[in-house]
This record gives sequence, C-alpha cells and structure tokens, in this order.
Amino acid sequence: QVQLVQSGAEVKKPGASVKVSCKASGYTFTNNDINWVRQATGQGLEWMGWMNPNSGNTGYAQKFQGRVTMTRNTSISTAYMELGSLGSEDTALYYCARGGWELLLWGQGTLVTVSS
Amino acid sequence: QSALTQPASVSGSPGQSITISCTGTSSDVGSYNLVSWYQQYPGKAPKLLISEGTKRPSGVSARFSGSKSGNTASLTISGLQAEDEADYYCCSYAGSSTFDLYVFGTGTKVTVL
Repeated sequence: QVQLVQSGAEVKKPGASVKVSCKASGYTFTNNDINWVRQATGQGLEWMGWMNPNSGNTGYAQKFQGRVTMTRNTSISTAYMELGSLGSEDTALYYCARGGWELLLWGQGTLVTVSS
Repeated sequence: QSALTQPASVSGSPGQSITISCTGTSSDVGSYNLVSWYQQYPGKAPKLLISEGTKRPSGVSARFSGSKSGNTASLTISGLQAEDEADYYCCSYAGSSTFDLYVFGTGTKVTVL
C-alpha cells in the first residue's frame, strides 16, 4: 500500500525543538520529493519546504530559514523535519507530502503542541 | 512571499456550479501553469483535485475543473453535491529563484445550501 506514515503527537516547551518523521512505503522513496506543510488549528495550509530524498537537497521557506532542517534516511525510507526555537505560534498539524507542484500523497499529520 | 488570495467562503445549492478564485501575482500564478487545488475535510489531510492548472488525477470527479487567466486561477465545481462541502486550497509554484518554492492560497470554505 502506497502511504506516508508520520510519527505521533508531540508536546514541547517554548524554545525546544521537535523532530517529526515520515515513513514512506509502497513506492521507491528516492523517486519523489517530500514536502512539509503545516496547518494551525482553524487556519490555512502553509508550505515549509522540500527535500529531494535521492540527493538530500533541500529548500526552505524564508519564514523558516535557520530554524528548520529536513533530512532523510534512505535505508528506512524515512524523511524527517526538525523545527527549532519553538514558540506558541508553532502549535500546528504538520504534514509530509510526496511530490512537487502536485502533492498527491499525504501523511496523516502530526500534531505538535508548544506549551509551557 | 504572500499567500494567494481566495474568497473566505462560497456557497451554492445542490446541482449548481460554483467557482473559487485564487489570485496571485506575475511571480507565481501568472508565470507558471503549475497551480494545484486541494480539497480538505475537517480533521483530514488535503486531497489533490487539480494539478498543473487543469489536470485531474485519476479518480477525481470530472465535476471539478481548473482554469487560469492572468494572475488568477479558478476551480469550478459543477453539479454541486452535499459531499463537496469542505475547505479548498490553491497552491502555486513560485519559482526556484525565491526561497518560497510554493505558496498556498488562504483557503475557501464551500457550503452546500
């Protein structure tokens, strides 16, 4: 079954970092980019960045530059998104999605809550 | 990079057609035929409806269609059905010369009356 399965919900304190995983199955992990998109409760979708799992090349939205790192482990077909210096405004549902200008396959989302 | 502008809400009666607009700039929507549209139900991940402005992935109803004119892309839902009540987002490629490779729209809530 072609799917992306993300890690479970996280609760973090302000200033901490969070690392979310996204495990691909049912297709060749290195054939398609992985993008990360987040959505605060009741808000719209926000593009965070992309990673090419084959080369490891990445590109991050200007808003997250210096605070986000996207990596992968090709041996286990898993992509990671680490976001640092968390603030309350980072409380959101974080999605990984396969593709580029067409995000055809999405993970189920990981809720990250930032609270003191 | 600012979010693409969509109407906050659009409504229609069953069987009618509605159109959701997505206004960007000459740097994103206007420069590329790479606008995608997504449907999202509450508590669910988005689903791709339209890619490259007009293309429907396999399995997506032909009632959904996309178009573009200048800096504005549009999604039309024909023969509106109760199941179409959801949030809809556009997304455009914004070019590799910027940090923000992609930009989403502000989202539109569709209500079936």
